[in-house]
Amino acid sequence: QKEVEQDPGPLSVPEGAIVSLNCTYSNSAFQYFMWYRQYSRKGPELLMYTYSSGNKEDGRFTAQVDKSSKYISLFIRDSQPSDSATYLCAMTPSGGNNRLAFGKGNQVVVIP
Amino acid sequence: DTGVSQDPRHKITKRGQNVTFRCDPISEHNRLYWYRQTLGQGPEFLTYFQNEAQLEKSRLLSDRFSAERPKGSFSTLEIQRTEQGDSAMYLCASSLDRRNTGELFFGEGSRLTVL
Repeated sequence: QKEVEQDPGPLSVPEGAIVSLNCTYSNSAFQYFMWYRQYSRKGPELLMYTYSSGNKEDGRFTAQVDKSSKYISLFIRDSQPSDSATYLCAMTPSGGNNRLAFGKGNQVVVIP
Repeated sequence: DTGVSQDPRHKITKRGQNVTFRCDPISEHNRLYWYRQTLGQGPEFLTYFQNEAQLEKSRLLSDRFSAERPKGSFSTLEIQRTEQGDSAMYLCASSLDRRNTGELFFGEGSRLTVL
């Protein structure tokens, strides 16, 4: 079993829809949870990060962490064509060395 | 330019040849990482440096792979006797160790194609 599971299926949504992405993990030591966005042929860029459990909101993006269920989510409200990208969840233990464990990524396409 | 820079962006080589990739991190970042990403997969950790010291290597990093960061600034990743399975995007990232939040700044990657 991989440390981080992310259903890699592509997701197509109409502009303005809510996009919901999620990951599960098996390592209880993970404390920092991140979502990276990766445009085609580019490196990943950090979108959101959350420490421990709870919600974090930044504009149209909301990240949720449920450590009891080992489950994290990313919601994108009012999705825009510019949100079309691959979204990767990533996580690392507390006090770790920033060695990240990534999910496989979800390719999101927002259709105008 | 204040981002992470990688060179070359794309390398095509024949099986058995050696290749070297270079990474220039963000100047004040003391940590530097190499990850590998294959199609449809998330990045996989290969190795990381704090300053010039290589502190951790993944089991993915076979003996044909070697990474250096001689002066704690830029880094090189060399692959000897390339195999078709080495075809991937090699991503470099950097960070500041006092911000232990998992925030890595990635370069645009060096794509390797082994024929």
